[in-house]
Amino acid sequence: QSVLTQPPSVSGAPGQRVIISCIGSSSNIGAGYDVHWYQQLPGTAPKLLIYGNSNRPSGVPDRFSGSKSDTSASLAITGLQAEDEADYYCQSYDSNLSGYVFGTGTKVTVL
Amino acid sequence: EVQVLESGGGLVQPGGSLRLSCAASGFTFNMYAMNWVRQAPGKGLEWVSVISGSGDSDGNTYYADSVKGRFTISRDNSKNTLYLQMNSLRAEDTAVYYCAPGGGSRSRGRWFDPWGQGTLVTVSS
Repeated sequence: QSVLTQPPSVSGAPGQRVIISCIGSSSNIGAGYDVHWYQQLPGTAPKLLIYGNSNRPSGVPDRFSGSKSDTSASLAITGLQAEDEADYYCQSYDSNLSGYVFGTGTKVTVL
Repeated sequence: EVQVLESGGGLVQPGGSLRLSCAASGFTFNMYAMNWVRQAPGKGLEWVSVISGSGDSDGNTYYADSVKGRFTISRDNSKNTLYLQMNSLRAEDTAVYYCAPGGGSRSRGRWFDPWGQGTLVTVSS
């Protein structure tokens, strides 16, 4: 079972802004470990979207942004586009488990 | 171009064994911690195991509780290849298995990039 909790789904019209939350605890996000985000388009492997809480790899549009506070993190998508329809996962490290953990995943639907 | 390519998946009976491989190219393989992550059909991502790179001090391996004692991660730096030996397989191990190098630092928690296309393991009689 995942220790990082995300909403199962979020939706928005093209051009709108959506936010995906990632709720952790004092043994992972709250312990100071970085949060990373991945985008998984249908039928494909996950792709790194945000690393180190708020950094975008080369090629990722600046419509995607990440933030972290206390025991949670957020991914914001502004100017939502049809191609953003995908599953999104947060990821961090957990000191109690001595391993990496993923969020439960969020499906983004563009209306 | 940085690439990883998984192979070795297939159909195996419960209780059986399988060895996955991950061929890496385009980066200094021995320097990087390497991970296995799996995704059961229609489900989310689950981290499976990590093996340290030469950039880490301990050279250790770590496992998710769900596979501890059954799976063994290893690497051959001379072949730029990562392995996952899976024993005592169960139906719940059915998943696509991905490998990925760990970026960043262990002290802050690594990210995984890039991911291969994955290899499907099906455990069924």
